[in-house]
Amino acid sequence: GAGVSQSPRYKVAKRGQDVALRCDPISGHVSLFWYQQALGQGPEFLTYFQNEAQLDKSGLPSDRFFAERPEGSVSTLKIQRTQQEDSAVYLCASSLGGFRPDSNQPQHFGDGTRLSIL
Amino acid sequence: SQELEQSPQSLIVQEGKNLTINCTSSKTLYGLYWYKQKYGEGLIFLMMLQKGGEEKSHEKITAKLDEKKQQSSLHITASQPSHAGIYLCGAGANTGNQFYFGTGTSLTVIP
Repeated sequence: GAGVSQSPRYKVAKRGQDVALRCDPISGHVSLFWYQQALGQGPEFLTYFQNEAQLDKSGLPSDRFFAERPEGSVSTLKIQRTQQEDSAVYLCASSLGGFRPDSNQPQHFGDGTRLSIL
Repeated sequence: SQELEQSPQSLIVQEGKNLTINCTSSKTLYGLYWYKQKYGEGLIFLMMLQKGGEEKSHEKITAKLDEKKQQSSLHITASQPSHAGIYLCGAGANTGNQFYFGTGTSLTVIP
């Protein structure tokens, strides 16, 4: 497809299980972002990739969160030993060029994965 | 970290009314994005403002950037039910590669 695709759309897991969330960005997009969005809040930055390089992971809440983009296209966000506070919508976005705060580089978002931890 | 505060938090207007949403940054803005989100969906890009004083319009939505005040405003003229959703402002960090979003403004338009 032409847009950013995320899978699964919904994921239910028991506390303590590991989960993996997938993001297929727009083909050719250099930048890829992951966000966590709690109910009623704006998205919170988790991590940023430029091609296959993870240039910023300062937003990952704990060492249970891990993200990769090994070939510079598809990305996976993995959460180990899930906790109830991990329940949220996880959004992925891609943009054409490398990130610069003053450049006009709109991010294109997927519909997100809604993660519920029981 | 950069903080983006939006006001109001929620807005309920009658169809046809004008409205304004504000976004204030705790740090200097080098660019400001506006997005719209519908429930259960991803964010849709509306427009990006790069320079102080810049104003952009898309259909009935106009956004302005006041760099000195570190503020942006989004104005909708003659609102329609299709304008309903959550409006989010966003900006990149001045250093590093983080991108921050505002707290969001939920807009309801009553037909």
